[in-house]
Amino acid sequence: QVQLQESGPGLVKPSETLSLICTVSGVSVSSGSFYWSWVRQTPGKRLEWIGYGFYSGSTSYNPSLKGRVTISVDTSKNEFSLKLSSVTAADTAVYYCAREPADGLYVADGLYHYYGLDVWGQGTAVTVSS
Amino acid sequence: EVVLTQSPGTLSLSPGERATLSCRASRTVRSSYFAWYQQKPGQAPRLLIFGSSSRATGVPDRFSGSGSGTDFTLTIDRLEPEDFAVYYCQQYGTSPRTFGQGTKVEIK
Repeated sequence: QVQLQESGPGLVKPSETLSLICTVSGVSVSSGSFYWSWVRQTPGKRLEWIGYGFYSGSTSYNPSLKGRVTISVDTSKNEFSLKLSSVTAADTAVYYCAREPADGLYVADGLYHYYGLDVWGQGTAVTVSS
Repeated sequence: EVVLTQSPGTLSLSPGERATLSCRASRTVRSSYFAWYQQKPGQAPRLLIFGSSSRATGVPDRFSGSGSGTDFTLTIDRLEPEDFAVYYCQQYGTSPRTFGQGTKVEIK
């Protein structure tokens, strides 16, 4: 059974760096079959995709975060991490880690359906405040 | 980025009724990269539909997805008590991946 679990400080001061870890069990992060993703949910319940990392080191980030984000995959610990620098109150949210399969489900006639975020952690609340 | 707009914001229905949720994209999205999620209070979102119409593992067949281009629909036939929740759409065919703002399905 695949499980993801977020961990990290629940309170971060403005201008500092938010650091979270997602511990993965039941599947290897070094599998080339998954993107390892972070999503956050604001107090207003809006979901925002932060980005993903791949076992090879490649990444993709949401431009809205203006270069403040780094996602790393640690194959030796079977975990991946999120670092968000220069935080403000606007970064207060529940942070989720999630898995996105890179491969699709073959449907028919060369058509594939891609899975989206199929496994999620339970989420961790982070407040930015002094 | 692709903006997804869900309607209605809230849907008030009784158990046993059909729910029809809409998600409209600001430009064409690839239907193979379109999903619906269900979220209950205090829980993470749960994948329901991917590829616009394929049900995720364990999702009851009363849930169905359809659509293409800029218009997508999630239909829930015969609402069960456990279906009252918030539903989000997502596109992941173009970067950045984006979500709709959610539709709350509440008990009438």
